[in-house]
Amino acid sequence: AQKVTQAQTEISVVEKEDVTLDCVYETRDTTYYLFWYKQPPSGELVFLIRRNSFDEQNEISGRYSWNFQKSTSSFNFTITASQVVDSAVYFCALSEFSNFGNEKLTFGTGTRLTIIP
Amino acid sequence: DTEVTQTPKHLVMGMTNKKSLKCEQHMGHRAMYWYKQKAKKPPELMFVYSYEKLSINESVPSRFSPECPNSSLLNLHLHALQPEDSALYLCASSPRGRGSLREQYFGPGTRLTVT
Repeated sequence: AQKVTQAQTEISVVEKEDVTLDCVYETRDTTYYLFWYKQPPSGELVFLIRRNSFDEQNEISGRYSWNFQKSTSSFNFTITASQVVDSAVYFCALSEFSNFGNEKLTFGTGTRLTIIP
Repeated sequence: DTEVTQTPKHLVMGMTNKKSLKCEQHMGHRAMYWYKQKAKKPPELMFVYSYEKLSINESVPSRFSPECPNSSLLNLHLHALQPEDSALYLCASSPRGRGSLREQYFGPGTRLTVT
């Protein structure tokens, strides 16, 4: 069975500080996908990044960066120079490979990030 | 345009009412999903449609009835709900097929209150 663990339930940092959100996953599949989603107070889940199990390159997008390490089954997310608009719940998710293109997402329990002005 | 729309945004219904939630996407995606999300919890998958056919039903009670009239629309018909069904209902869509992007794009949700 697949499992995603986000051990940090809530994090608060002062604006402009860097913050890292941890994600550890478990799967028996050799092909899988990892995702990060942001859920602001408005409720909509916003897709941030997708990574497949064969691509271990880290990625940077503006103030966001992701560190994928298969050896430790982790897919951590770092926000640099945090801003108040980054306040949200962040979900890490895992999906198994499927030929049907309708994979089931297994979500972590989420990390509530609060940026203090 | 990565947009999934959902109506209504808020819905209050009694336990004897019948109502429907609507979801629409115009991205050409052929997989569509319904999720239920309780407060401070992650989304829970309810149903998946692939090419307008129901492919996954996560043992959802029959008082929730999904419908996919065409490739752009997804409905969730509600009947005889219980107060514990109060939640945020999220719709999502994703492309289908090997090698295609597999992320799901979510709508803003319908916040349902059952009284």
